[in-house]
Amino acid sequence: ETGVTQTPRHLVMGMTNKKSLKCEQHLGHNAMYWYKQSAKKPLELMFVYSLEERVENNSVPSRFSPECPNSSHLFLHLHTLQPEDSALYLCASSWTSANEKLFFGSGTQLSVL
Amino acid sequence: TQLLEQSPQFLSIQEGENLTVYCNSSSVFSSLQWYRQEPGEGPVLLVTVVTGGEVKKLKRLTFQFGDARKDSSLHITAAQPGDTGLYLCAGARGGATNKLIFGTGTLLAVQP
Repeated sequence: ETGVTQTPRHLVMGMTNKKSLKCEQHLGHNAMYWYKQSAKKPLELMFVYSLEERVENNSVPSRFSPECPNSSHLFLHLHTLQPEDSALYLCASSWTSANEKLFFGSGTQLSVL
Repeated sequence: TQLLEQSPQFLSIQEGENLTVYCNSSSVFSSLQWYRQEPGEGPVLLVTVVTGGEVKKLKRLTFQFGDARKDSSLHITAAQPGDTGLYLCAGARGGATNKLIFGTGTLLAVQP
């Protein structure tokens, strides 16, 4: 148990669906992140939130929409995704946005049909 | 574009063997982290090295940061099946955001 919980663990969606990924951290951290992990590619940083404010958007398409209602919760809203968006989506948290130590959730394995 | 290359990409060994995984870059990093990711889970931080030439030991795992802070290695002695997983290095740029750049990963399988 890393203190970072992601739901759902698996998700299959069509290209016209709308779904949301949820992340909750129980560590009292101030920064939360979304990463994308695809086969044969390095982990890609998508978004960084620090104290509920987005501090980084790594040129992510608008079909991915993050939301951070408080420092413990982070969502990733998905709509009109493409098959190439199929990947493992990992949430992480750290004390600050300085990335000193990342605590990852178990991820959501997303398949877009 | 900064790139952290890890080698080898895949490694399958027998229990009890020793191995070394390398993480190389042409860029200097303020610090470097190593993570292990087991199947179906997220990465878990193993160690952070900060000083050029630094060596850290974690039981059978030995981590070294290059003198120039551009590369790192992970040596595992007498590998166990429980060491199986994806090993990721991640270099930190420093500065206000201290952005992490992740390596390409080494997938290790230790056969009993």
